[in-house]
This record gives sequence, structure tokens and C-alpha cells, in this order.
Amino acid sequence: NAGVTQTPKFRVLKTGQSMTLLCAQDMNHEYMYWYRQDPGMGLRLIHYSVGEGTTAKGEVPDGYNVSRLKKQNFLLGLESAAPSQTSVYFCASSRLRTYLTEAFFGQGTRLTVV
Amino acid sequence: RKEVEQDPGPFNVPEGATVAFNCTYSNSASQSFFWYRQDCRKEPKLLMSVYSSGNEDGRFTAQLNRASQYISLLIRDSKLSDSATYLCVVTLTGANNLFFGTGTRLTVIP
Repeated sequence: NAGVTQTPKFRVLKTGQSMTLLCAQDMNHEYMYWYRQDPGMGLRLIHYSVGEGTTAKGEVPDGYNVSRLKKQNFLLGLESAAPSQTSVYFCASSRLRTYLTEAFFGQGTRLTVV
Repeated sequence: RKEVEQDPGPFNVPEGATVAFNCTYSNSASQSFFWYRQDCRKEPKLLMSVYSSGNEDGRFTAQLNRASQYISLLIRDSKLSDSATYLCVVTLTGANNLFFGTGTRLTVIP
């Protein structure tokens, strides 16, 4: 049972380059999230999606775009990478019953922008 | 004001000790509560959900105090393998995401 899978696991970008992070979940969850985690800052929500074809901004959305064309996939794009975007990125998914259930996380993507 | 606040620690305890973490939440409409564990350079993983009546899973006990708006995690007979960062998580009625504390770091010393 794969759960939540993120690719790539590591990446080094030059300032100004673009890239897309892919998140795939096989649990048929409605909700998907992208977080970044920096030392001393905890997990901060970048964007999230409550279903196929819908996305919304989180706490720190600037410099990122997302798309959810299929229920199982949630893509995070960096159009023009900046050193401030050096971070560990986690994708997560959760199910909605009458309330949100626990989130399941991917293994993370370590991104360095030089 | 942050939705969830935790003491960042670090907590350094000897093997076999009992250690407790508290986490406060600011919104009385908070609905679901969880404790996650995160090992160094790994993803957060669910440790346990926190129920109104309190719940226990082996050496771990979680409690919820709605009146004072805090949740707690008690670890008995600490093991070296318990060394990790523990994240407190809440959800709000009508909100579309989970709110994470910044985590409490625990190191169990031989």
C-alpha cells in the first residue's frame, strides 16, 4: 500500500529555474495539501485542494502554483525559484467525513535553490 | 495568535522516565485532535488521535481538556526509540486544513 508518494525526493535548482513537484495518493482522499517545513517554523501550508479541479491558498502561497486535474494527483509548481524557497516540502492527504480525519504524508522533497 | 502552541523543548530524559507534553489551542471550535511523531529528516506520522474521554495506546496516553483548551501526551517508560519531535495537530469545524504546532523535541538518553 503506497499511501502518499512524492517525486522527486531531492532537487537542486538555480535561481530563476522552474520545477514541478508531484504528489500522488492511492487512498481516494478528497483533501490534499502542500506544506513546507523550515527549521524553527514548523509546517506551513502553501496550497490545498478539497477536490478534483479545486485549489485554494494557504498560509504561504506566494511564488507557488498548484493544480489538481485528477483526484489522486496534486502538483506544486515553482515558476521562478528563489533561495528563500529552499526547504523541505511535504504533500499530505486526508479524508473528509463529518470532519477532517488525520493526514497522511509523503516522504518529502528536499529542495535547495542556489 | 497561533492556532496551536507547543513548548519546543528540548526535553532530555533518561531511559525509563515518564515525560509529558502539553499543547494549547486557541479556537474553541476545534474539533479533532491528533499527536504526530516526526523523526529527523522524515515525514510526520500519526502517533494517535485524541478523544474526549482520553485514550491510551501502550505506553502512550493522550488527554483532551476542552475547558482549558489543551491536549496532552504522556509517555511512560521512555525508550531510546521514542526520541523524536512530537507535533500537536487540531482541526476546526468548517476549516479545510489541519493546524500543526511547531513540535516538541524529545531526546531519551541512555
